[in-house]
Amino acid sequence: QKEVEQNSGPLSVPEGAIASLNCTYSDRGSQSFFWYRQYSGKSPELIMSIYSNGDKEDGRFTAQLNKASQYVSLLIRDSQPSDSATYLCAVRGWGGTSYGKLTFGQGTILTVHP
Amino acid sequence: NAGVTQTPKFQVLKTGQSMTLQCAQDMNHNSMYWYRQDPGMGLRLIYYSASEGTTDKGEVPNGYNVSRLNKREFSLRLESAAPSQTSVYFCASSDRGDNEQFFGPGTRLTVL
Repeated sequence: QKEVEQNSGPLSVPEGAIASLNCTYSDRGSQSFFWYRQYSGKSPELIMSIYSNGDKEDGRFTAQLNKASQYVSLLIRDSQPSDSATYLCAVRGWGGTSYGKLTFGQGTILTVHP
Repeated sequence: NAGVTQTPKFQVLKTGQSMTLQCAQDMNHNSMYWYRQDPGMGLRLIYYSASEGTTDKGEVPNGYNVSRLNKREFSLRLESAAPSQTSVYFCASSDRGDNEQFFGPGTRLTVL
């Protein structure tokens, strides 16, 4: 079973809409959660990190964490064509051989069309 | 600051050839990482170095070796390349193991 799973894509939303990206993880002891954005042919860049249950907002981006449900999400409000990219969910492991290491989901491709 | 740099950007190898991918960071970070990225697979950790002088295996270490040359540099070696190692390789660094990781531009490797 894959340790970090993201909602299957690709996801297509109209400009100005809210894009919702979801991620579930299997390591119940995980403490740190990250969302990276990766443009085609480029390297991943961090856009959000979240460590506590609840919401964390940064501009148009909101990360939501529910440790009891082992679920983390990213909302992008007022989506722009420049948001079109692959979004990677990453979880920092806690237990056993996963300790301290980042495990990435397979990524969700987001396309924002004008 | 250049951040994390990787060389080469592109490489084509024949099966059985060897090569070393170079990575350097100028952010005085302690931890460095090597990942590979394949279509539909996300990023998978090959090896990492929590601090200068230490290296540990990640999720997919077979067929690779690493050297933490000094605090700045972390190299990845393929001793006998195989077509299954065709991938995009990313190096990353962080100032501590639990902090944000910064990625290099990647090396696109094709093994024929």
